[in-house]
Amino acid sequence: KAGVTQTPRYLIKTRGQQVTLSCSPISGHRSVSWYQQTPGQGLQFLFEYFSETQRNKGNFPGRFSGRQFSNSRSEMNVSTLELGDSALYLCASSPGHSGGNQPQHFGDGTRLSIL
Amino acid sequence: TQLLEQSPQFLSIQEGENLTVYCNSSSVFSSLQWYRQEPGEGPVLLVTVVTGGEVKKLKRLTFQFGDARKDSSLHITAAQPGDTGLYLCAGARNRDDKIIFGKGTRLHILP
Repeated sequence: KAGVTQTPRYLIKTRGQQVTLSCSPISGHRSVSWYQQTPGQGLQFLFEYFSETQRNKGNFPGRFSGRQFSNSRSEMNVSTLELGDSALYLCASSPGHSGGNQPQHFGDGTRLSIL
Repeated sequence: TQLLEQSPQFLSIQEGENLTVYCNSSSVFSSLQWYRQEPGEGPVLLVTVVTGGEVKKLKRLTFQFGDARKDSSLHITAAQPGDTGLYLCAGARNRDDKIIFGKGTRLHILP
């Protein structure tokens, strides 16, 4: 069974640009969550999508947005990039809504570097 | 304020030694999960604990959920170099809540 696939693996952008990251969940999984991981803050929750609807949102500015398609694939977009957006962006999928006991299956992330 | 506090932040020990890492909170969690993350990869789920006082074993790893469901520990017996990695605890306070992660314990086992 294929795991969670994130593309691209690495990305270099400059300040002010925008970026779109993609996540393909495990087949049959309907929930996709996005996280930002940095050495100082650890893993921070961005948002969760379930059946194309945003179910939960973390404390990030409106420059961070996402969406989910009918095939459960998800994208996240960051506009007006800032130096502090440099991080590893992780996507995780689970069969149902990710609250409670649902195990999360992570992809290997997209490493975003802002110059 | 970090909702899930993990300690220690870093731990470096010799192969064969035992160790315990902790995950603490002032809040009650409906469940806690432990993940291990290796460089260049995403976290991989090790275990989920649900019931207060629950103990789960995974080979040389023993996970315990506190009676009050506010804390958890991971004990590794006879650590091996393959145990090296970042250990993360995560939990949701209720069924509809987002999952929160601690900052992790970075473990290094010296051969």
